[in-house]
Amino acid sequence: DSGVTQTPKHLITATGQRVTLRCSPRSGDLSVYWYQQSLDQGLQFLIQYYNGEERAKGNILERFSAQQFPDLHSELNLSSLELGDSALYFCASSLGLAGVYKQYFGPGTRLTVT
Amino acid sequence: ILNVEQSPQSLHVQEGDSTNFTCSFPSSNFYALHWYRWETAKSPEALFVMTLNGDEKKKGRISATLNTKEGYSYLYIKGSQPEDSATYLCALDNYGQNFVFGPGTRLSVLP
Repeated sequence: DSGVTQTPKHLITATGQRVTLRCSPRSGDLSVYWYQQSLDQGLQFLIQYYNGEERAKGNILERFSAQQFPDLHSELNLSSLELGDSALYFCASSLGLAGVYKQYFGPGTRLTVT
Repeated sequence: ILNVEQSPQSLHVQEGDSTNFTCSFPSSNFYALHWYRWETAKSPEALFVMTLNGDEKKKGRISATLNTKEGYSYLYIKGSQPEDSATYLCALDNYGQNFVFGPGTRLSVLP
C-alpha cells in the first residue's frame, strides 16, 4: 500500500459525459501527478500540481482539467468523453517539487467509455 | 521532446540467473532518471531515483547504474526469483517540465 488513494476504482460512462476522478496523496506529500495508460500504450504524463499550483503539463487534452485543493487532494475532470478516453488513470504523489523525489502511485481508476 | 527507449522488450530467465536491461536516452538534458517495478494488476513501485551526478543505487538484489556520457542506464537483478517477474520502467524527469516513461521491459522468471 503506497498511501495514495484514488476513487472510484472503476467508472463506466457514455460518450459525451463528464467524470471526476479523485486522488488523495500520501500524508506529507505536496506534489500530485496524473498519468494515463491507454490500451497497448505506456504511461503518459498528464499534469503535475505542487502545493495547489499547476507546475507541469504533459499530453493533457483541452477536454481534461485538474486541480489541487488546499487539503492537497486532487481531482482530474474529463469532459466530452470519447471512446478513446477509456484508460487506466493513475495518480502519484511525491514529497517535493523536484524530480529527485520518488513518486508513489495510487491503485488507479479504470475508466470505460461506452 | 525526450525519447526514452528500453531494451529488450521482454525477457525470460530461469530462477537464479542474473539479468540486466537497458534504458537509453538521446540526451542527458534531464534532471533525474527513475526506475519503477510494475507487477501485473498492481501500480508502479518506485525502485530508484538517479541524478546526473549520482552513484550506483542498490536495493537488495537489484542495482542500477547511470552513464550520462553514453546515454544509458542499466538495471541489474542478481539471482532472479519468480517474484521479480514484472515490467520494469524507466522514466526521465525533464527539469520539471515533463515526465517521460519508456515502454518498459517485461521480465518473466521461470521457476
